[in-house]
Amino acid sequence: GAVVSQHPSRVICKSGTSVKIECRSLDFQATTMFWYRQFPKQSLMLMATSNEGSKATYEQGVEKDKFLINHASLTLSTLTVTSAHPEDSSFYICSARDPRGRGGTDTQYFGPGTRLTVL
Amino acid sequence: GENVEQHPSTLSVQEGDSAVIKCTYSDSASNYFPWYKQELGKRPQLIIDIRSNVGEKKDQRIAVTLNKTAKHFSLHITETQPEDSAVYFCAPGDSNYQLIWGAGTKLIIKP
Repeated sequence: GAVVSQHPSRVICKSGTSVKIECRSLDFQATTMFWYRQFPKQSLMLMATSNEGSKATYEQGVEKDKFLINHASLTLSTLTVTSAHPEDSSFYICSARDPRGRGGTDTQYFGPGTRLTVL
Repeated sequence: GENVEQHPSTLSVQEGDSAVIKCTYSDSASNYFPWYKQELGKRPQLIIDIRSNVGEKKDQRIAVTLNKTAKHFSLHITETQPEDSAVYFCAPGDSNYQLIWGAGTKLIIKP
């Protein structure tokens, strides 16, 4: 149980374009989803916390107008990187919390990640 | 905010030996203590977790010990195998269900 999918797995785009990444909980309803960014050989950095039906809460230093997050349903959250630039190239990972999961209300289940390369 | 430190940053052990990674945190309100394993280019995988009302938890070759007074918890891997080679992260959780990630420990199992 507790499967999270992410799409696409890999994307290459030109500088100035926008990229949308989808995160889905496949077999549970996720009231909370999290978006992380991970640079090579570094730890995960929390970008924002997304609650279904409400605005995302962004971490300090993360531009909410650049990284648009929409959590329109209990199984889907999207991250849109607007006007992407080479410095946005990174590994983006989502996770979802299953409030009724056997693993406990605080257990996060991770998507497989999206490798974004901006040329 | 929460400050999380993980030691060592790199750990090299002989196959069959034990490995121990320690994580210290600063927020006394933290109540969830997971360890994740991440292989190159893949998602973090939860390998074991413990909650603040338990001091130790074991799952086959993996164990986690928690000392809330001293604000640290440790990952113990016994009888290490080549497939244990990966980066391990501690990520104590707060009351908002957010995980605060350590910098990671690269575990190398020497054959």
